[in-house]
Amino acid sequence: GENVEQHPSTLSVQEGDSAVIKCTYSDSASNYFPWYKQELGKRPQLIIDIRSNVGEKKDQRIAVTLNKTAKHFSLHITETQPEDSAVYFCAASKNGQNFVFGPGTRLSVLP
Amino acid sequence: NAGVTQTPKFRILKIGQSMTLQCAQDMNHNYMYWYRQDPGMGLKLIYYSVGAGITDKGEVPNGYNVSRSTTEDFPLRLELAAPSQTSVYFCASSRQPNTYNEQFFGPGTRLTVL
Repeated sequence: GENVEQHPSTLSVQEGDSAVIKCTYSDSASNYFPWYKQELGKRPQLIIDIRSNVGEKKDQRIAVTLNKTAKHFSLHITETQPEDSAVYFCAASKNGQNFVFGPGTRLSVLP
Repeated sequence: NAGVTQTPKFRILKIGQSMTLQCAQDMNHNYMYWYRQDPGMGLKLIYYSVGAGITDKGEVPNGYNVSRSTTEDFPLRLELAAPSQTSVYFCASSRQPNTYNEQFFGPGTRLTVL
């Protein structure tokens, strides 16, 4: 079955700096890769996603890149702000069915 | 729209008891999912459903059962609760994959088994 790894497990950056979180997946049939943000005690919320027919997607300060050959995808957050502090999860899915999540990255943005 | 709703918010069970976690969505989504999230960990898929009458196992189905008699509801049944089932349970839903794959999560149910 699918296996998703995520690095780093914790990340601290200064406010205004960039943050990068990387994920790898094992099943080449996976074709949908979302990223979720989860604040303490809250539900996960989608922040950006990418499909396998696209190499990069950007939404304001957030971007995701996908390398299908290497089976890895990354989340990039620029100009980080304190409210970006949260746990971020990547996931992989085939056709929106069997989602497998990474273990999460705790991002701390220091003022 | 209420989105995805879950009841109860909190529950404490004794070992060996059973219970049903309720999940409902009012967005007419075909796909529904149940996850568990242990403290400090990622989400693990328990079961999912692609439509009424159709369910399938995820990564960690043992100790759980589901049913999907309507599009709106997707209850999760715990039989013979064990301490290892102490977790936060999230239900989620999404539209069909050829339109939009975003999963919308419910607020979660925090379950403790003592």
